[in-house]
Amino acid sequence: ETGVTQTPRHLVMGMTNKKSLKCEQHLGHNAMYWYKQSAKKPLELMFVYNFKEQTENNSVPSRFSPECPNSSHLFLHLHTLQPEDSALYLCASSQDWSRESYIQYFGAGTRLSVL
Amino acid sequence: GQQVMQIPQYQHVQEGEDFTTYCNSSTTLSNIQWYKQRPGGHPVFLIQLVKSGEVKKQKRLTFQFGEAKKNSSLHITATQTTDVGTYFCAGPGSNYQLIWGAGTKLIIKP
Repeated sequence: ETGVTQTPRHLVMGMTNKKSLKCEQHLGHNAMYWYKQSAKKPLELMFVYNFKEQTENNSVPSRFSPECPNSSHLFLHLHTLQPEDSALYLCASSQDWSRESYIQYFGAGTRLSVL
Repeated sequence: GQQVMQIPQYQHVQEGEDFTTYCNSSTTLSNIQWYKQRPGGHPVFLIQLVKSGEVKKQKRLTFQFGEAKKNSSLHITATQTTDVGTYFCAGPGSNYQLIWGAGTKLIIKP
């Protein structure tokens, strides 16, 4: 148990569906991250939030929409996805940014399949 | 932009043989971190190196940080089946993010 919980663990959705991924961290961290992991790109950063403010958006398509209501919760809203979006979506949190450490603690991930 | 290159992409070893993965950064790093991801799992933090020339050991794992703080290596002595997985290095970038290597997958030959 890393202190970062992701739900659901598995998700199958059609291209016209709307779904959301949820991440919750119990570590008191200030920064939260969404990553996409696939065979093509092992760890692809999507979004970074620090103190609820988005600090990075790595040219992610608008069909992925993040939401960070507080420092403990992070959502990824999905709509009109494509089959190539099938991947493992990982959430992570970190605290030591003031020392430029950014050691990250990952959740177990959501395995997403888009049909 | 800042990049971290990691090689090899895969390494097949017999159980009991040694394993090494190497990372090279395009810029000087304040620190470098190593993570392990077991098959079907998620990345788990192993260690952080901060000082130039630093060497740290965790049982059969030896981590090194280069003198110029631009390269690093992980060496595993006498691999065991429990070592199977993908090993990632990562260094701090801007905006609270880590710049990740592509990972080296350790495969034990049957």
